[in-house]
Amino acid sequence: EAQVTQNPRYLITVTGKKLTVTCSQNMNHEYMSWYRQDPGLGLRQIYYSMNVEVTDKGDVPEGYKVSRKEKRNFPLILESPSPNQTSLYFCASSSLGQGRDTQYFGPGTRLTVL
Amino acid sequence: KQEVTQIPAALSVPEGENLVLNCSFTDSAIYNLQWFRQDPGKGLTSLLLIQSSQREQTSGRLNASLDKSSGRSTLYIAASQPGDSATYLCAVKNAGGTSYGKLTFGQGTILTVHP
Repeated sequence: EAQVTQNPRYLITVTGKKLTVTCSQNMNHEYMSWYRQDPGLGLRQIYYSMNVEVTDKGDVPEGYKVSRKEKRNFPLILESPSPNQTSLYFCASSSLGQGRDTQYFGPGTRLTVL
Repeated sequence: KQEVTQIPAALSVPEGENLVLNCSFTDSAIYNLQWFRQDPGKGLTSLLLIQSSQREQTSGRLNASLDKSSGRSTLYIAASQPGDSATYLCAVKNAGGTSYGKLTFGQGTILTVHP
């Protein structure tokens, strides 16, 4: 089944404790990205990647890191989480090219930073 | 910086009505525009994708149009059903310059269709 998976789905952590949220897709997509969704602010893009070893900042990259060493994986790293990073996080992927770049979303990761 | 606005923020209609959701964007240099549906506590499901060179796309009871020059898109839902109740989001993918490939979302329209 074609899908985007995220782990963990729920995470409660404390300020300053490094964490990684994994994202994996099995559709051989070139494009992958991370979003956070907050009430009243909507969905905002954190980072995106057009292909392996190519990453770019979205609208809210501060406090986050990403890497794209393999095509299928795009982990989101919070080196020193803070309470303002409490949010619902989504990973998405798509092909590139006209008519083939429908975005497919993962189920989301609900992160709470105490 | 691209900004996307969706109107109305919320809409409540009786079952069977035809309805229109609006999306506007400030920078017309877009690669495509996509409409999504999000159910409470769930991820996003793609409904329709319109390339910048297209004027409209249709899928079942859904029809999305795009007027790139005026920075507007509409999602038309025919014969609405209670199962259509969800939040509808539009997103544009930038085409130009250093922000190529970046996606910007609107805040969404919360649709309630009551029996």
